[in-house]
Amino acid sequence: DVKVTQSSRYLVKRTGEKVFLECVQDMDHENMFWYRQDPGLGLRLIYFSYDVKMKEKGDIPEGYSVSREKKERFSLILESASTNQTSMYLCASMLESYNSPLHFGNGTRLTVT
Amino acid sequence: GESVGLHLPTLSVQEGDNSIINCAYSNSASDYFIWYKQESGKGPQFIIDIRSNMDKRQGQRVTVLLNKTVKHLSLQIAATQPGDSAVYFCAETYAGGTSYGKLTFGQGTILTVHP
Repeated sequence: DVKVTQSSRYLVKRTGEKVFLECVQDMDHENMFWYRQDPGLGLRLIYFSYDVKMKEKGDIPEGYSVSREKKERFSLILESASTNQTSMYLCASMLESYNSPLHFGNGTRLTVT
Repeated sequence: GESVGLHLPTLSVQEGDNSIINCAYSNSASDYFIWYKQESGKGPQFIIDIRSNMDKRQGQRVTVLLNKTVKHLSLQIAATQPGDSAVYFCAETYAGGTSYGKLTFGQGTILTVHP
């Protein structure tokens, strides 16, 4: 089974802090993704990466950046956290770029106060 | 879970009944579809997928039906169990434009199974 591990289940940060969300997958997948999930808005794609050191903006990249230095690890960075970034963040990986399901981690619930 | 409790469709069934969860999609070019299950406090879990060259696919206790004419997808769960209680949502994608395998997710349906 694919295992996608997010380092924190819950995080509480203050407005203006720099926040790092870490994600590791163990199946040698090329593609990795960061989503946020909010009531009434569903899953929204923030950033994705189809190779080491490559990144692409998703639908809502503002206020976020990412880092992929190693194939198995994909980090989401909130440069200066704001209260509207309070959300559930989900990391996912995918074997092929198409016709292949996303495999999700269990999420990080981030609260920005 | 995904869109928890905020105006999501709900389905309540008795243990042992069959459940049918529906999903309508809008992009006629979509050609790959996935069903996910999300339990409270967990990430979405892959259940089953189907490509557009098929209209039915079966897994363990689950069947996905695809009707491309009316752009409709359904998930059938046989002999539903309390452990099946979760939010279920569909996702679609197509190999065109800038989608690059990016999935579009539905809002989800809350399934509650009563013992």
